[in-house]
Amino acid sequence: AQSVTQPDIHITVSEGASLELRCNYSYGATPYLFWYVQSPGQGLQLLLKYFSGDTLVQGIKGFEAEFKRSQSSFNLRKPSVHWSDAAEYFCAVGQAAGNKLTFGGGTRVLVKP
Amino acid sequence: KAGVTQTPRYLIKTRGQQVTLSCSPISGHRSVSWYQQTPGQGLQFLFEYFSETQRNKGNFPGRFSGRQFSNSRSEMNVSTLELGDSALYLCASSSTPGQGSSGNTIYFGEGSWLTVV
Repeated sequence: AQSVTQPDIHITVSEGASLELRCNYSYGATPYLFWYVQSPGQGLQLLLKYFSGDTLVQGIKGFEAEFKRSQSSFNLRKPSVHWSDAAEYFCAVGQAAGNKLTFGGGTRVLVKP
Repeated sequence: KAGVTQTPRYLIKTRGQQVTLSCSPISGHRSVSWYQQTPGQGLQFLFEYFSETQRNKGNFPGRFSGRQFSNSRSEMNVSTLELGDSALYLCASSSTPGQGSSGNTIYFGEGSWLTVV
């Protein structure tokens, strides 16, 4: 069965500093990997996705993620955080057949001024 | 192009009642999925429909059911509500029945907040 682990429940970062959110997945086949962001009281917005090819994926809002098969990881990064990046971030794994996503527990990001 | 629309956005129900939530996918999308989000359990998959057929179902009791109409709109129903059903229910839509070989973007609505008292 597929699973996703986000080891960090909360991360606090200063505005302008870099951010890295960790994601580890378990999936038997080629993974389809996603990062979503959720602002308070809102739905999920897709930041980026990985299916194949280049292991460094660029997304919206200046985010990027790197797929490392050997480490079963798909970490999300941003070089310089803005106060508007304060939100909860979810990593998810999909499957070839169907659109079911399995989500990690999420990481809540707080941005200090 | 309008996004995924969910109605109602907020509702309060009493234990034992039933509730129906509605989802209108993005125009042209035929795949609809539902998720339950709670602080304790996180985001959990409920079920998925494509062209009116349920293709996948999560590990929820039979009180949770859904359906999809010919225009791709979907509803989910929860009968005999329990306090633990209080959650944000999210609907997602996509254009293809699966991730396939080239990937597929799954778009989420803003959700329906259900409070059971």
